Amino acid sequence: GNSVTQMEGPVTLSEEAFLTINCTYTATGYPSLFWYVQYPGEGLQLLLKATKADDKGSNKGFEATYRKETTSFHLEKGSVQVSDSAVYFCALKKWGGNQFYFGTGTSLTVIP
Amino acid sequence: DTEVTQTPKHLVMGMTNKKSLKCEQHMGHRAMYWYKQKAKKPPELMFVYSYEKLSINESVPSRFSPECPNSSLLNLHLHALQPEDSALYLCASSQGLLRRQGAHTDTQYFGPGTRLTVL
Repeated sequence: GNSVTQMEGPVTLSEEAFLTINCTYTATGYPSLFWYVQYPGEGLQLLLKATKADDKGSNKGFEATYRKETTSFHLEKGSVQVSDSAVYFCALKKWGGNQFYFGTGTSLTVIP
Repeated sequence: DTEVTQTPKHLVMGMTNKKSLKCEQHMGHRAMYWYKQKAKKPPELMFVYSYEKLSINESVPSRFSPECPNSSLLNLHLHALQPEDSALYLCASSQGLLRRQGAHTDTQYFGPGTRLTVL
């Protein structure tokens, strides 16, 4: 089947700290992988994506690399800001079909 | 432009009311989705429309009735809801690529959601 497993939160970091949020997946075929971010009271916004093995998605200082050998898509940022406080969802789009699969979400709080 | 709009932003309704949620996109997308999201949880898929036809219905109770009048609009009709239906309802759209077009690369774009409270 298809599923996404994210690290448990919540995560609290000081400003300028390094961020890693782990994401692993199970999928048949060749899925695409996504990170979405949800700020309080808002919908989900696409943060970055990767569509094949070894692709690196990046946006706003965030990066994630599609690792087929470890079935992982970990999110990283070198220096977080208070404005990065949000919930982050890892997701996959399976090969064929219209369905997306979401992880449970990781809440990040960045303190000044 | 990757905008999906949803109205209303907030909705409070009684258990005997009938109301509708609306979603609109003008990106030429041919797949549209309804999700329900409870606090601190991931979105739960409710329905998927592909080329204006219902393609996925995730065993949603009949008090939720989706409608796709055209390729830009998606409605969710609500009737006789229960308090446990209170949640954030999210609409999303994607290109609706077919497998031969690289369907797995399709990207989903979300609206801001409707915060529904059922009294």
